[in-house]
Amino acid sequence: DAMVIQNPRYQVTQFGKPVTLSCSQTLNHNVMYWYQQKSSQAPKLLFHYYDKDFNNEADTPDNFQSRRPNTSFCFLDIRSPGLGDAAMYLCATSREYGGQPQHFGDGTRLSIL
Amino acid sequence: AQSVTQPDIHITVSEGASLELRCNYSYGATPYLFWYVQSPGQGLQLLLKYFSGDTLVQGIKGFEAEFKRSQSSFNLRKPSVHWSDAAEYFCAVGANQAGTALIFGKGTTLSVSS
Repeated sequence: DAMVIQNPRYQVTQFGKPVTLSCSQTLNHNVMYWYQQKSSQAPKLLFHYYDKDFNNEADTPDNFQSRRPNTSFCFLDIRSPGLGDAAMYLCATSREYGGQPQHFGDGTRLSIL
Repeated sequence: AQSVTQPDIHITVSEGASLELRCNYSYGATPYLFWYVQSPGQGLQLLLKYFSGDTLVQGIKGFEAEFKRSQSSFNLRKPSVHWSDAAEYFCAVGANQAGTALIFGKGTTLSVSS
């Protein structure tokens, strides 16, 4: 049974048109993460939440925003997608910080036209 | 600063042969270490983890890894590779510290030849 669910699996948007990616979890984990992964590269951390406490990585573009309305859901908003934002976006959860293993969703592949 | 190095970008192994993927880390204290596998178009799946205790850890799918503090290494091994093992493998290190996330290596692509 999927425990970290990302929707949609594939998303196509137009250059500059806002897009929202969603993630839900059934693990009741405190921490949720968003990663960007480009082809043949390691996942790059964008944000993470402990409950509703938001942590933004220093080099995450301002174009990227996130919301976590409750424990189960987390959203990634890209306000004005550029061609360079085409990537796989991965959501992950962990019970706590402190080196706990992360559980990943299957990702959303974002394409920009 | 914490870091993870996977020296091999791409490895090809014959089906049935043994496999070792290398991982070196830099961290000031005892790290938490992980290996993840990613099949094309999928998310990352946890293979195994090391927190403390026995330095040889067993994971899923027949994988194991050995923590060697003296060499700052956490190499992944499998005695007999199957074609379905072809994937991207990521080593990651974590800290026992609030507010920190895992640091991933750049990954090693494993190809399996018949």
